[in-house]
Amino acid sequence: EAGVAQSPRYKIIEKRQSVAFWCNPISGHATLYWYQQILGQGPKLLIQFQNNGVVDDSQLPKDRFSAERLKGVDSTLKIQPAKLEDSAVYLCASSTGTGVVGELFFGEGSRLTVL
Amino acid sequence: SQKIEQNSEALNIQEGKTATLTCNYTNYSPAYLQWYRQDPGRGPVFLLLIRENEKEKRKERLKVTFDTTLKQSLFHITASQPADSATYLCALFMDSNYQLIWGAGTKLIIKP
Repeated sequence: EAGVAQSPRYKIIEKRQSVAFWCNPISGHATLYWYQQILGQGPKLLIQFQNNGVVDDSQLPKDRFSAERLKGVDSTLKIQPAKLEDSAVYLCASSTGTGVVGELFFGEGSRLTVL
Repeated sequence: SQKIEQNSEALNIQEGKTATLTCNYTNYSPAYLQWYRQDPGRGPVFLLLIRENEKEKRKERLKVTFDTTLKQSLFHITASQPADSATYLCALFMDSNYQLIWGAGTKLIIKP
């Protein structure tokens, strides 16, 4: 079974530029998450989708971050314009569960460096 | 709000010994608690889930306990091996708001 795919693995941009990350969850997984993980910290939820609807985006900085999940499968996370403090690993995860969160399957992550 | 505390300092253990990692929380008991392993440059990998009405869960060399009185979960690796070296994260699921809250993780180093 293929895992969660993410791209790109690494991205270096200058502040005020834009960047987009892509995620393809495990086939059949209804729930998709985007997390931000800063070095030395645990993952912080940015947005959670159930199929193509948003369940929780309370911690998403909506003035600069946006995410969509077209057709309830792939998802894209965009940052525009980027700030220095956005330097982090962006993790995509998926799960089968609806409502109650079960085991999460993570991708390898996309490491963003903002200069 | 719920806070999770995991040892911020790395834990150094001699190969063959039992490694014990701690996850403490401050407020309401979660519906369940998960443990994940994270290697450098990789995403977290699920290890075990324990529910609030369970005291202990085992999987091969891994054991997790959950004490709602102490507001604590312990994660044990018996007969530890250098390959067990990684960062271990605990995550609490709060059914009050359906949120999964993550600790910062503890780095475990198993020395041969």
